[in-house]
Amino acid sequence: QKEVEQDPGPLSVPEGAIVSLNCTYSNSAFQYFMWYRQYSRKGPELLMYTYSSGNKEDGRFTAQVDKSSKYISLFIRDSQPSDSATYLCAMGPGAAGNKLTFGGGTRVLVKP
Amino acid sequence: EAQVTQNPRYLITVTGKKLTVTCSQNMNHEYMSWYRQDPGLGLRQIYYSMNVEVTDKGDVPEGYKVSRKEKRNFPLILESPSPNQTSLYFCASSFDARGQPQHFGDGTRLSIL
Repeated sequence: QKEVEQDPGPLSVPEGAIVSLNCTYSNSAFQYFMWYRQYSRKGPELLMYTYSSGNKEDGRFTAQVDKSSKYISLFIRDSQPSDSATYLCAMGPGAAGNKLTFGGGTRVLVKP
Repeated sequence: EAQVTQNPRYLITVTGKKLTVTCSQNMNHEYMSWYRQDPGLGLRQIYYSMNVEVTDKGDVPEGYKVSRKEKRNFPLILESPSPNQTSLYFCASSFDARGQPQHFGDGTRLSIL
């Protein structure tokens, strides 16, 4: 079983819809949680970073962390075609240093 | 502009021919890391460096070498590349190793024939 599980999708939604993404994890030592967005032929770009349970909002993006359930979510409101990308969850620390453990990514397609 | 720069972006080469992928960051970050990204396997850490002259293995270090002689540079060396090292490689950096988010370069696609 992988340490971090993420549905690979693809997830297809109409423009303006709410996109809901999630990851589950098994390592209770994880303390910080991130969401990255990756466009084709580009590197992962940090979207959200949280260090505790609860909600964090940044514009159209909301990240939720539930440590008791080992479950994190990312919501994208008023989705745009430019939100079409692969979304990766990541968490740490790992056994050494600042190692991140990544989910496999969810491909999202927002249709105009 | 704050960035992590990798070169080359694309490389096709043959088995056994030594190659180096360079990585440079301009953010004065202490921590740097190399990942490879493969379909179905996600991003996996190859090597990391906590600071100059301090490097250590990640999850998949076999067949790779790194060095950190300067704070800004962290090259990845494949001394004798093999086809199973065909992959998409990313360099990343963060301010320190205490939970700071990592910033990624745009990747290097390597094909080993």
